[in-house]
Amino acid sequence: DQQVKQNSPSLSVQEGRISILNCDYTNSMFDYFLWYKKYPAEGPTFLISISSIKDKNEDGRFTVFLNKSAKHLSLHIVPSQPGDSAVYFCAASWGKAAGNKLTFGGGTRVLVKP
Amino acid sequence: ETGVTQSPTHLIKTRGQQVTLRCSSQSGHNTVSWYQQALGQGPQFIFQYYREEENGRGNFPPRFSGLQFPNYSSELNVNALELDDSALYLCASSLVGEGNTEAFFGQGTRLTVV
Repeated sequence: DQQVKQNSPSLSVQEGRISILNCDYTNSMFDYFLWYKKYPAEGPTFLISISSIKDKNEDGRFTVFLNKSAKHLSLHIVPSQPGDSAVYFCAASWGKAAGNKLTFGGGTRVLVKP
Repeated sequence: ETGVTQSPTHLIKTRGQQVTLRCSSQSGHNTVSWYQQALGQGPQFIFQYYREEENGRGNFPPRFSGLQFPNYSSELNVNALELDDSALYLCASSLVGEGNTEAFFGQGTRLTVV
């Protein structure tokens, strides 16, 4: 029973172009969503989050979009840089106050080509 | 760097043995969670501790247990190790209550059970 799914295991994009990562969830109780980036031999690093009361949140090159009716969120990285090459995880929780009881997707490996 | 540190970084144990993994939370954080990340998958929530009490548990058997100490450092104990326990174990800390923060992860402990 995978409540958070990232259906694309990998993504390759040219430097300077847009990277779009997708995530679907099934549990309608989730109301807080996060994206983490993970390099090899390091723990996940928080990137950006969004509450279910919003449909968009932007932070520099990173924008997260939330479509509650479709139970879908996406992360846009513009422009993509070689340093963005990593595994990206989508995660969900029941409220920000849930602290870190997170349900993760399986990850998408992004390769940004120079 | 998140300020969350885990020890050891790597560990090899024999099936049936017991293991203790350690985590030092980021200063000011009162909540710690543990995750298991199997190869090629996203992290899975094991349990959370809030002010030294277990505050939620994922789908893991009782041989997975934990402690949180007054200084908010934490231990994960696994008894009767099985080959499938081989994974990266991640600790995450956050502040819950007086201003909520996202979870900040340590670099993980790579456990290999042979």
